[in-house]
Amino acid sequence: AQTIHQWPVAEIKAVGSPLSLGCTIKGKSSPNLYWYWQATGGTLQQLFYSITVGQVESVVQLNLSASRPKDDQFILSTEKLLLSHSGFYLCAWAGGQGNTEVFFGKGTRLTVV
Amino acid sequence: GDQVEQSPSALSLHEGTGSALRCNFTTTMRAVQWFQQNSRGSLINLFYLASGTKENGRLKSTFNSKESYSTLHIRDAQLEDSGTYFCAAEASSSFSKLVFGQGTSLSVVP
Repeated sequence: AQTIHQWPVAEIKAVGSPLSLGCTIKGKSSPNLYWYWQATGGTLQQLFYSITVGQVESVVQLNLSASRPKDDQFILSTEKLLLSHSGFYLCAWAGGQGNTEVFFGKGTRLTVV
Repeated sequence: GDQVEQSPSALSLHEGTGSALRCNFTTTMRAVQWFQQNSRGSLINLFYLASGTKENGRLKSTFNSKESYSTLHIRDAQLEDSGTYFCAAEASSSFSKLVFGQGTSLSVVP
């Protein structure tokens, strides 16, 4: 069975500080990977997706970047946090190759102060 | 852009009753998913449909791609059904982009 693990579970960071959030998928080879962001009380917005190692496509520009250093790992980062970055970040995977059902991790709650 | 219009935005049900949530799409969608988001924020997969109807226990979902809508029916609501329900759809023209509705906040009361 596939498992998806996100870290950290929660972060409180200062404006202007760097950020790195991680996501690992086990039990699935070459998945499509996604980052989503959810403001408190809001809906989910796709930020990035990746269909293979080393390739990441940006969907929305929020002064964030993403990388896929390994087949099973997806990293979201920024060098300088803004207050507007606060929210809930979710990593997700899909099987790829026409299988588009998406499964989510438990998320990271980020508070920027 | 691709849009998913979800209704109602909020819903209150007494235990044992039922209702329906609906998502309308402004473009042709390849598939739709329904999720329940619990109080911890976790998204639970309820249904994935490329067409037709699926049923799971007290939940039933339909996706009509020709008429651009999907529904989620809840019957015999239980307290544990409370949460926020989202539909999400992948446009036929937008590979790998899942667009979410605004969500329905469901409260089941005794």
